[in-house]
Amino acid sequence: DAGITQSPRHKVTETGTPVTLRCHQTENHRYMYWYRQDPGHGLRLIHYSYGVKDTDKGEVSDGYSVSRSKTEDFLLTLESATSSQTSVYFCAISGRQGNYEQYFGPGTRLTVT
Amino acid sequence: AQSVTQPDIHITVSEGASLELRCNYSYGATPYLFWYVQSPGQGLQLLLKYFSGDTLVQGIKGFEAEFKRSQSSFNLRKPSVHWSDAAEYFCAVGAQGNTGKLIFGQGTTLQVKP
Repeated sequence: DAGITQSPRHKVTETGTPVTLRCHQTENHRYMYWYRQDPGHGLRLIHYSYGVKDTDKGEVSDGYSVSRSKTEDFLLTLESATSSQTSVYFCAISGRQGNYEQYFGPGTRLTVT
Repeated sequence: AQSVTQPDIHITVSEGASLELRCNYSYGATPYLFWYVQSPGQGLQLLLKYFSGDTLVQGIKGFEAEFKRSQSSFNLRKPSVHWSDAAEYFCAVGAQGNTGKLIFGQGTTLQVKP
């Protein structure tokens, strides 16, 4: 299994509070991705990174920001959490440009009350 | 716009029966296609992939998939299902532009009857 960890694995927070999710990899892969998974929607890309300090938006980026200061860490921040951001969040990594083969972390279940 | 459709939200098969999960995609060129499996409470695991060449690809756990360009399909098959195959299955296509991004279908939940 690819060396990908996510923390925390579960979190309950209140509407309006900031939340940061962490993805950590030990594979030295260049590309990292954040998805959210919701019933009936499959996985939807929030943001992705193609190198340290290089990030771009996905299809559902509103309300989220990311940062990548080191190859191994990719942070997802909800600046002011809303109930619509209750979801399961997955991080994925990929090694080569255009390879498309992604490996996923175990996920973080976030509940916003 | 690119898209992936998995027409069956939920499928139930008996243990030992054959399985086919459907996947249709829209994409202008030759696509990169994937099937992932997700067991309850787990992340996604890559089952198999198609990049080019032989249109019948073999994956892990006894799964295979066939790329049919004329039908824009990439259906997943297994000759004999085991109870441990109960999970959610996702089809995905590589997005245009050499970005490494994937576009996922909505998923199909497989239930296996004893």
